[in-house]
Amino acid sequence: DGGITQSPKYLFRKEGQNVTLSCEQNLNHDAMYWYRQDPGQGLRLIYYSQIVNDFQKGDIAEGYSVSREKKESFPLTVTSAQKNPTAFYLCASSPDRVETTEAFFGQGTRLTVV
Amino acid sequence: AQKVTQAQTEISVVEKEDVTLDCVYETRDTTYYLFWYKQPPSGELVFLIRRNSFDEQNEISGRYSWNFQKSTSSFNFTITASQVVDSAVYFCALSETYTGRRALTFGSGTRLQVQP
Repeated sequence: DGGITQSPKYLFRKEGQNVTLSCEQNLNHDAMYWYRQDPGQGLRLIYYSQIVNDFQKGDIAEGYSVSREKKESFPLTVTSAQKNPTAFYLCASSPDRVETTEAFFGQGTRLTVV
Repeated sequence: AQKVTQAQTEISVVEKEDVTLDCVYETRDTTYYLFWYKQPPSGELVFLIRRNSFDEQNEISGRYSWNFQKSTSSFNFTITASQVVDSAVYFCALSETYTGRRALTFGSGTRLQVQP
């Protein structure tokens, strides 16, 4: 089945550690996105990529890094510089310009700092 | 900058009641797109509707209907005869065309609880 796969579903990180969240899509979509969801705050954009080897910062990029070496993959690294990383992280993709086509979302990764 | 406001944090209704979820947006673009997504307990967002700024016709899809009014910058969502399966968090989102930001801006969401 075509779709977006995020792994792992649950992730625990010790303070001071970097951790990488995986996002893979087999929909042949050009654009991919990472959002962070906190209770009562909706979804906030971390990074997005419109094409391979190119990505842009979103509204809350500090403490995060991404890469887009392959069309189907857009991993997100939460670095030790992110002071409050506990949140629900959602990855999405869209065929082209997001304003003209719907975005498809993965099932999310819940990250907890212990 | 673009902004989406969903003032209703949580709504609770009894099954078969009608319920309207409000969405107000801000944008300087003349061409933009508005969306509604549903987030069930499983976590992934499910696309419900997309509307462009030039199409102010209301839309109905089964028990769902959407009222887009540019004059008040609102894009409200009504569920008629609500069901328990409608319980979820609903997000309104905006995408602008000319700002260079190629991503959706989401509101804070409205949690709908439909009681049996």
